[in-house]
Amino acid sequence: QSALTQPPSASGSPGQSVTISCTGTSSDVGVYNYVSWYQQHPGKAPKLMIYEVSKRPSGVPDRFSGSKSGNTASLTVSGLQAEDEADYYCSSYAGNNNYVFGTGTKVTVL
Amino acid sequence: QVQLQESGPGLVKSSETLSLTCTVSGYSISSGYYWGWIRQPPGKGLEWIGRIYHSGSTFYNPSLKSRVTISLDTSKNQFSLRLTSVTAADTAVYYCARAGSSTSSPPDYWGQGTLVTVSS
Repeated sequence: QSALTQPPSASGSPGQSVTISCTGTSSDVGVYNYVSWYQQHPGKAPKLMIYEVSKRPSGVPDRFSGSKSGNTASLTVSGLQAEDEADYYCSSYAGNNNYVFGTGTKVTVL
Repeated sequence: QVQLQESGPGLVKSSETLSLTCTVSGYSISSGYYWGWIRQPPGKGLEWIGRIYHSGSTFYNPSLKSRVTISLDTSKNQFSLRLTSVTAADTAVYYCARAGSSTSSPPDYWGQGTLVTVSS
């Protein structure tokens, strides 16, 4: 199983929106509605932000939203805040009780 | 609140076996859920290692399957990772996680991670 493809970096000014893509294949993202997104600050463990493409765990701001079309999923962060600066990883169920992660995107708040 | 904490040697010699333990508090691992391991080489992305169901069934990343064993110790509310024949490529921060309530559920609670360095 190959890693899902994400852009290395994305940026936006405070208050703006940024969208991160996550491209997989017809064996993972394209066939399962089980895409998740994680936020990781330096030296910290990943935090689950989105699951099942667009659902937010309790406590995650509604500024974070997810979607999917075909083999590509997307995470949008609206109303960017300084604390949103972090690495973001997508993940997809890949069948046979396995998961695959994305290559990661560094989001910079300008 | 579920909490997980990794423990084990921070330095392992090349060709030897890496062994880590994850201690869970706030939830009995025998009650349900999958329990898993994920790793992250320094400066790189996340890699799925595998997970174990509370019943003891195990599921591994195909690329690591020949070298990985994940096991449960319900008496201590712990689960463990063994990775044999390690090389420098296995140097990474290793995270344990509550790895989902069903087959397709993602990891939600994570440990803080522990750095394991493989030396020659």
